[in-house]
Amino acid sequence: DVQMTQSPSAMSASVGDRVTITCRASQDIRNYLAWFQQKPGKVPRRLIYDASSLLSGVPSRFSGSGSGTEFTLTISSLQPEDFATYYCLQHKSYPITFGQGTRLEI
Amino acid sequence: EVQLVESGGGLVQPGGSLRLSCAVSGFTLSSNALSWVRQTPGKGLEWVSSISASGDNTYYADSVKGRFTISRDNFKNSLYLQMNSLRAEDTAVYYCAKLVGAYDYWGHGTLLTVSS
Repeated sequence: DVQMTQSPSAMSASVGDRVTITCRASQDIRNYLAWFQQKPGKVPRRLIYDASSLLSGVPSRFSGSGSGTEFTLTISSLQPEDFATYYCLQHKSYPITFGQGTRLEI
Repeated sequence: EVQLVESGGGLVQPGGSLRLSCAVSGFTLSSNALSWVRQTPGKGLEWVSSISASGDNTYYADSVKGRFTISRDNFKNSLYLQMNSLRAEDTAVYYCAKLVGAYDYWGHGTLLTVSS
């Protein structure tokens, strides 16, 4: 099984900050990676697919990069609505696996 | 407008069974692989099961393999999750979702509580 390790598990930041979240896969998953955002009490929302493609409607301050085993989600300038928990997900092979999440706090 | 609407959650005793449904509208079910994802309150997301667009291939997390069965009815535009031999640790909100590709679709979730 592919293990996904996210870091950090939690972080504090301020509006306007540049933030980077990392996800490391235990084996090569090429670009079969997605990033999700979830706010408390809300349904998850996928932001990035295929490691670096932005879904329609997602602000351009979000970007994804990486391939193989190392991936990053970057928020170029944090906005108040970006404080949430972020998850990566690999779908290169079954079982599909999520990272444990990164809680982004003010 | 795309909608995924789950139903069927509730309270069930350990060892019991339940079937979740996900009614889909606004997109072609038969062209899309779909998944079930669950989340225990206050915890992370856990992938449960997926089914291919054709329905020919199904996949399960080890934690539910042999107890849960995913299926689909393209004529009824519905996805299902039959859950047997339920355990307390299956308690969670269950979402149906499209996890891959250029479109992001999620249901609102349905709560399953396994307790005596």
